[in-house]
Amino acid sequence: EAQVTQNPRYLITVTGKKLTVTCSQNMNHEYMSWYRQDPGLGLRQIYYSMNVEVTDKGDVPEGYKVSRKEKRNFPLILESPSPNQTSLYFCASSSTGTGGPYEQYFGPGTRLTVT
Amino acid sequence: QKEVEQDPGPLSVPEGAIVSLNCTYSNSAFQYFMWYRQYSRKGPELLMYTYSSGNKEDGRFTAQVDKSSKYISLFIRDSQPSDSATYLCAMTGGGADGLTFGKGTHLIIQP
Repeated sequence: EAQVTQNPRYLITVTGKKLTVTCSQNMNHEYMSWYRQDPGLGLRQIYYSMNVEVTDKGDVPEGYKVSRKEKRNFPLILESPSPNQTSLYFCASSSTGTGGPYEQYFGPGTRLTVT
Repeated sequence: QKEVEQDPGPLSVPEGAIVSLNCTYSNSAFQYFMWYRQYSRKGPELLMYTYSSGNKEDGRFTAQVDKSSKYISLFIRDSQPSDSATYLCAMTGGGADGLTFGKGTHLIIQP
């Protein structure tokens, strides 16, 4: 089954404790992206990757890191989480075969709470 | 001025009604337009994808894009309670540009 998986699905942590949220896709997509979704603010892009070893900032990259060492995986790293990073996080992937990452497929989400 | 405007609702209609969901945008560079459906506690699911102006139909769903008015619509015919969800519009200029999302309209179909 074609899918984007994220782990963990739920995470409660404390300020300053480094964490990683994993994302994996089995569709051989070139493009992968991380979003956060907050009430009243909608979905905002954190980082994206057009292919292996190619990453770039989205609209809200502060406090986050990413890496793309393999095509299928795109982990999101919070080196020193703060309470304002409490949010619902989504990973997405897309083929760029039609010229761009238009048809993005989303994972199930990771609900992160930082206390 | 926000790039993509979408009424958050909630929009409540009776089962069987035709539903109209809309977004307006300000960036004339947008050329690719998407509609996503998001159920509670789930990730967004791609419903429709259109390029430039025109209509696209898929079953009970029809997407319309009017680039001259910077206005896009999603119509749902014969609405069902299972259509109750949040509907997000998204758009991009293409290439490496990321998607810009509306904030979503919460739709409730009453049995």
